[in-house]
Amino acid sequence: KNQVEQSPQSLIILEGKNCTLQCNYTVSPFSNLRWYKQDTGRGPVSLTIMTFSENTKSNGRYTATLDADTKQSSLHITASQLSDSASYICVVSDRGSTLGRLYFGRGTQLTVWP
Amino acid sequence: IAGITQAPTSQILAAGRRMTLRCTQDMRHNAMYWYRQDLGLGLRLIHYSNTAGTTGKGEVPDGYSVSRANTDDFPLTLASAVPSQTSVYFCASSARGDTADTQYFGPGTRLTVL
Repeated sequence: KNQVEQSPQSLIILEGKNCTLQCNYTVSPFSNLRWYKQDTGRGPVSLTIMTFSENTKSNGRYTATLDADTKQSSLHITASQLSDSASYICVVSDRGSTLGRLYFGRGTQLTVWP
Repeated sequence: IAGITQAPTSQILAAGRRMTLRCTQDMRHNAMYWYRQDLGLGLRLIHYSNTAGTTGKGEVPDGYSVSRANTDDFPLTLASAVPSQTSVYFCASSARGDTADTQYFGPGTRLTVL
C-alpha cells in the first residue's frame, strides 16, 4: 500500500534555531517528492520538488534531501523565523497514474517561539 | 492575478441540505482537483478533472459530484450533506495534470454540517 509517514507529528523550537522534519514513503513507482508549507487557514504552497535523481534542493532557508534507496526525505529549516510556524506536508507522486496521483503525509506542525 | 479562489470561505449547513462549493482559477490550467482535509489526516482527493468536459473519481468520492463545463470553474456539490462531510475543502489546479506538475491550492472552504 502506498503511504507517506511524517515525523515528528509536532515540533516546537525557539526562533533562530534549526530543525529537521522527516518523511518516509512506500510509494512505488516513485516519480517525485514535494514539500508543501501550509499556514493556518490557508492552502498548501509548494516549497521544493525533487525527482529520483536529485538528492538535495534548497529554497532559501529550506533544504530538502532525498534518499530514493531508503525512501526517505528530510526538510531542514535554518535559522527559523516566527513566520515558519506552519504545517509542513510531504507529498509523493507515483509514475503509475497519468493523472499525477499524489500521496499526502499528515504533516508536521511546527511552532516557532520568540 | 488571483490564482485560485474559493467560495464561500466558510459555511454552516443543516444535514440533508444541498450545497455547492465554488472554485475558479485564472491560470488557464487544464487540471483541477478537490480535496478534503480532516484533523489528523492528510489531504484526500475527492474528484479531479484532467481537462474541461472530463471528470474522475478520487479516493473519497461518495456523496460528492463535480462538473467541468469550462477551463476556469470546477464546482463541488454535496447533494444531501451529512455530518461526516464536515471538513475543510481545498480546490487545486495544475497546468497539465501529470506527475511533474505542481498543484496550486486555493484558500479553502470550511464546511460544518450539523
